[in-house]
Parts: sequence; structure tokens; C-alpha cells
Amino acid sequence: AQSVSQHNHHVILSEAASLELGCNYSYGGTVNLFWYVQYPGQHLQLLLKYFSGDPLVKGIKGFEAEFIKSKFSFNLRKPSVQWSDTAEYFCAVSGPNAGNMLTFGGGTRLMVKP
Amino acid sequence: GAGVSQSPSNKVTEKGKDVELRCDPISGHTALYWYRQSLGQGLEFLIYFQGNSAPDKSGLPSDRFSAERTGGSVSTLTIQRTQQEDSAVYLCASSLGLAGVLNTDTQYFGPGTRLTVL
Repeated sequence: AQSVSQHNHHVILSEAASLELGCNYSYGGTVNLFWYVQYPGQHLQLLLKYFSGDPLVKGIKGFEAEFIKSKFSFNLRKPSVQWSDTAEYFCAVSGPNAGNMLTFGGGTRLMVKP
Repeated sequence: GAGVSQSPSNKVTEKGKDVELRCDPISGHTALYWYRQSLGQGLEFLIYFQGNSAPDKSGLPSDRFSAERTGGSVSTLTIQRTQQEDSAVYLCASSLGLAGVLNTDTQYFGPGTRLTVL
């Protein structure tokens, strides 16, 4: 079975600090990778996704993620966080041989101090 | 509608009672997914519908859980004889479900139903 690990459960940053959230997955075949965000009291929203092509993916709100196949990783980055980035971030994986459903990591709660 | 809607938003029930949770997907989306989000288990897949195909029930935790999708649109998740460990937020998502590219679809999530079993 596929698994997704997010090693940082809680992250606290000051505004303007740089952010990197780790995500590793276990599946060795072709995968599709996603980062979702859940702002307080809101739905899960898609931040960015990778299917193929350029391994550096740019998403909304200045976020980007890099797919490193050799490391089974898809880390999320943002050069300068804002207070409004306070949210919970979920990495997820799907794949043609691993089912169309999403397998989620445990989530990372980010708090940005103003 | 503009997005995925779910009802009720909150449900409190007593242990042993049955509950039904409803999901209205985005119009035109043929794929529909149920997940649940709980403190101990994170976000877990439950069941997935695609068009008229038999649903993928591989994530249902027990035979107390079932779901149906009528007319290829609205879905109902039923939990029979609820237990305290069923307390969670139940999320529904839908996607276009285009044939051959299902796994690259973007899934759009609803607000969830918070179920509390006393």
C-alpha cells in the first residue's frame, strides 16, 4: 500500500521567513503529487499539482514544490511567508496503478507569527 | 452548483444509531469520493464512484459503512450502528472523471460533515 509522510507536524515561523515542508511517498511507480491547504474554517483547496514534465511546479499564492524522483520527495516551498499562510498543509499522492483516490500525509500545521 | 456541498454540516448522534450524510458534487463531475478526517488517523479514503462503474469500496473500515450514488450525482454515505470511533469529519470530493485520465483529475472538496457519536 502507498504511504505518504510529512515529517513536520507543527511549524512556527515569523513573517517573511522562508518555508520548506517535507513530503515523502513510498510508491515506486508513476505517481501524481498534490499539495492541498486547509485554512482555518475552510475547505481543502488545491495549492499545486505535479503529473509530469518540469519537476519544479509553481502553484497559487507564491508556493512551489519540487519533485525529486530519486528521493521520493515532493517538498513544498515559499520564499517569504505571510500571516495569511497560517493553515494546515497536506501532501497527497495518486497514481494510475495505485488507485485514483488520494493518499494523504498526516498534515503540517503552519503558524505564521505577524 | 458552484462547489461541492455537503449536509448536514454537523451531526451529533448516540452510539448505536444510524446516520446518513449527503454530498452534492459539482455539476458535470462524474467522479465522487468520500474521505474522513479524524485526529488519530488523518485523512483517509473511504469509497469512490466513477460514472456507472461499480464503486471502489476498498477504504471502507467496516461493513457498517456503505454508500450509494443515485443518478450519477448525489451520494449518501450511511453509517449503521455508529460507534464513538466513527466520530470524524466526513469529506466529499468530486472531479471531472475524464476517461483515461482519472488519476490526474483535480479533486474539489466540500466543507465536510462533522459527526460526533456520543
